[in-house]
Amino acid sequence: DAKTTQPNSMESNEEEPVHLPCNHSTISGTDYIHWYRQLPSQGPEYVIHGLTSNVNNRMASLAIAEDRKSSTLILHRATLRDAAVYYCILRDLVSGTYKYIFGTGTRLKVLA
Amino acid sequence: EAQVTQNPRYLITVTGKKLTVTCSQNMNHEYMSWYRQDPGLGLRQIYYSMNVEVTDKGDVPEGYKVSRKEKRNFPLILESPSPNQTSLYFCASISLGTGAIYEQYFGPGTRLTVT
Repeated sequence: DAKTTQPNSMESNEEEPVHLPCNHSTISGTDYIHWYRQLPSQGPEYVIHGLTSNVNNRMASLAIAEDRKSSTLILHRATLRDAAVYYCILRDLVSGTYKYIFGTGTRLKVLA
Repeated sequence: EAQVTQNPRYLITVTGKKLTVTCSQNMNHEYMSWYRQDPGLGLRQIYYSMNVEVTDKGDVPEGYKVSRKEKRNFPLILESPSPNQTSLYFCASISLGTGAIYEQYFGPGTRLTVT
């Protein structure tokens, strides 16, 4: 199973953009990149996902490197409510495995 | 409202006393899964189910059992709980239908303490 590597923690000031990196050097051609976040005392929630092209939704943007060995979740204007643990995971649609490996994620602290 | 529910939310039990944590989803999702979350270890998948009567092991299945007799329910069974199963447990479900984006919906969590 392909693994991801993320920094343990990051800090950002409120109202500023945040770039959360994820390395996945062993990614296969059929792995989708998913991002989830977990707010304090809650279950994880879906943020965004992509395969090759950059993606945008109402919550965030996902920038995927051309070689797909890394990706970056972009929060355009961090708010205090964005303080959470962010998980980058890979999901293989072709192999038939539906295992999800979350890892320990990046704890984002947003400073007022 | 689309949701995944878990019961109980909190449970304190003793070693060896069988327990079941229930999970139910109202979205008609095919895929359901159980995770445990421990400090410093993140979320680890215990078991998952692709559909009724189809289950498979995740990364940490030892000491757990599951069943999927109905599409909406996916109970987690601890036949003989031990203190190392003290953890926060999450159930999740995903739609595998055509056009689905495979977004996982998580329940609110069950905090289990085994003494």
